[in-house]
Amino acid sequence: DTGVSQDPRHKITKRGQNVTFRCDPISEHNRLYWYRQTLGQGPEFLTYFQNEAQLEKSRLLSDRFSAERPKGSFSTLEIQRTEQGDSAMYLCASSFGAATNEKLFFGSGTQLSVL
Amino acid sequence: GQNIDQPTEMTATEGAIVQINCTYQTSGFNGLFWYQQHAGEAPTFLSYNVLDGLEEKGRFSSFLSRSKGYSYLLLKELQMKDSASYLCAVPTNAGKSTFGDGTTLTVKP
Repeated sequence: DTGVSQDPRHKITKRGQNVTFRCDPISEHNRLYWYRQTLGQGPEFLTYFQNEAQLEKSRLLSDRFSAERPKGSFSTLEIQRTEQGDSAMYLCASSFGAATNEKLFFGSGTQLSVL
Repeated sequence: GQNIDQPTEMTATEGAIVQINCTYQTSGFNGLFWYQQHAGEAPTFLSYNVLDGLEEKGRFSSFLSRSKGYSYLLLKELQMKDSASYLCAVPTNAGKSTFGDGTTLTVKP
């Protein structure tokens, strides 16, 4: 069990540029979640997948954000035309199943800074 | 919708006991999680409660009262390494968790 891995750990970009983050969940986990966290706040839900199906996307998420999990394994989160307000830690988490008592295993996150 | 409230900050002394409270309002209840998050690191699971009462796990215990919409995390014999943010989270019936903003605990010598 190598845990949830995210790449890159840090990303600095200029406003207006596109960025893509990758998440590799724990191999036998079916659920994959993306959260965003800013300083002093808890993780804010963005979207989640059950295998390759995207089940829900937060209403707070603009159309500039898109996520995929093409083969039900790794996932990518793309942000187009980045804005300074997108600066945050982007956390990926996975869980084995869909039960309400399934704990989340988080990756170390990708810290995005938009200049 | 779901609403979760936690105190923003707490300070305690090494060796002491501290209680971190969480109140929640949910449209349906599916249990409550506590996670620990050290600065700059990912959250890690501490506990899950779905029935009323206290669950003890070493130095950490978690309590739940469903009728009051209330939980607390009890940390005993505090150590410096317990300085972290403690996040309360409630899952929907689809398994997606909503997190509170966390309580930053500072343990002083």
